[in-house]
Amino acid sequence: EAGVTQFPSHSVIEKGQTVTLRCDPISGHDNLYWYRRVMGKEIKFLLHFVKESKQDESGMPNNRFLAERTGGTYSTLKVQPAELEDSGVYFCASSQYGGANEQFFGPGTRLTVL
Amino acid sequence: GEDVEQSLFLSVREGDSSVINCTYTDSSSTYLYWYKQEPGAGLQLLTYIFSNMDMKQDQRLTVLLNKKDKHLSLRIADTQTGDSAIYFCAEIYTGTASKLTFGTGTRLQVTL
Repeated sequence: EAGVTQFPSHSVIEKGQTVTLRCDPISGHDNLYWYRRVMGKEIKFLLHFVKESKQDESGMPNNRFLAERTGGTYSTLKVQPAELEDSGVYFCASSQYGGANEQFFGPGTRLTVL
Repeated sequence: GEDVEQSLFLSVREGDSSVINCTYTDSSSTYLYWYKQEPGAGLQLLTYIFSNMDMKQDQRLTVLLNKKDKHLSLRIADTQTGDSAIYFCAEIYTGTASKLTFGTGTRLQVTL
């Protein structure tokens, strides 16, 4: 069974540009999560989808970040316009159920904003 | 609010035991987790402990939970070079259901 996949693995963009990250969860997992690790700090929660609905978006830093999950399958996270402080590793995870059910993580997308 | 802290770096010799420590602030945590991240890979769940337990053992891994001090540790027996990775502790607490709160991660370096 394929795990969580993320694309691209690495993105380098200039400040002010737009970047879209993609996450494909494990098939059949209704719950999809985005997390971010900035500058070697802790991994922070961004948001949680249940199917196509945003269950919790309390971790989204500001309105430059837009997450979507049309159709309840893959998800995209768009950053527009990107700022220097957006650099970091963006992780996606999925789980079959919510609550304390195990979350399976993808390899992450390393975003570098110059 | 929740806060999870870890030391940043640990170096051990192959064959020795490693102990990675974590402190957390939220006393209503329900589950506490240890994740491992190898270079270029995602986070892999190693083990977890329910908050009403004191200890959990799984092969070479032993998790100890001191609820009074809000202290969690992961002991790896007979540490191998393949154990070199970043280890994150994380918690879920009842107020936030599915949201994991992570520590900063401890980089474990295993030397020969």
